Amino acid sequence: KQEVTQIPAALSVPEGENLVLNCSFTDSAIYNLQWFRQDPGKGLTSLLLIQSSQREQTSGRLNASLDKSSGRSTLYIAASQPGDSATYLCVVGGSEKLVFGKGTKLTVNP
Amino acid sequence: DTAVSQTPKYLVTQMGNDKSIKCEQNLGHDTMYWYKQDSKKFLKIMFSYNNKELIINETVPNRFSPKSPDKAHLNLHINSLELGDSAVYFCASSFTGTTSQKLLFGSGTQLSVL
Repeated sequence: KQEVTQIPAALSVPEGENLVLNCSFTDSAIYNLQWFRQDPGKGLTSLLLIQSSQREQTSGRLNASLDKSSGRSTLYIAASQPGDSATYLCVVGGSEKLVFGKGTKLTVNP
Repeated sequence: DTAVSQTPKYLVTQMGNDKSIKCEQNLGHDTMYWYKQDSKKFLKIMFSYNNKELIINETVPNRFSPKSPDKAHLNLHINSLELGDSAVYFCASSFTGTTSQKLLFGSGTQLSVL
């Protein structure tokens, strides 16, 4: 049974810092891994999707990596801004269904 | 706009009532989902429909019944609402059968049972 863990549960950084969010999963037989952002009172926004055959994906200041063999993914945020404050969810896609991590709540302080 | 849209955004109701939440996607996706986000912000899948057929049905009380009249719609009907049903419910859709599976979510329905 696939389990997805995100560490840390919460992170607070000053504006301008580069930071890394971590996601680990127990079953390496995955199809893909997706990072979402959830803003308070709003829905979920897809940030990056990495296929199982890929090692990383980039979008603007975001870079997501995937290491299937070790069961890990990281989301790197460069030059963080207060607008990046949100909860970031890691979602692993397998043969049957998607499994969600519990998220990392990020606060970027001005 | 291409999107996953769900209505209503907020739903406040009394215990024991029956209510429905509607979801529609115009993305041409073949699979739709309902997720429940609990008080700890943890998302749990409830149901998944592929081409109008139920493919995932997690341990959810029988009071919850999904209805998929066509590929673009997946509605969630809840009978005899209980206090513990209070949560945010998210609809989502994706393509399956490929490795893409990019999941797109609706904006959520906040259900409050009084």
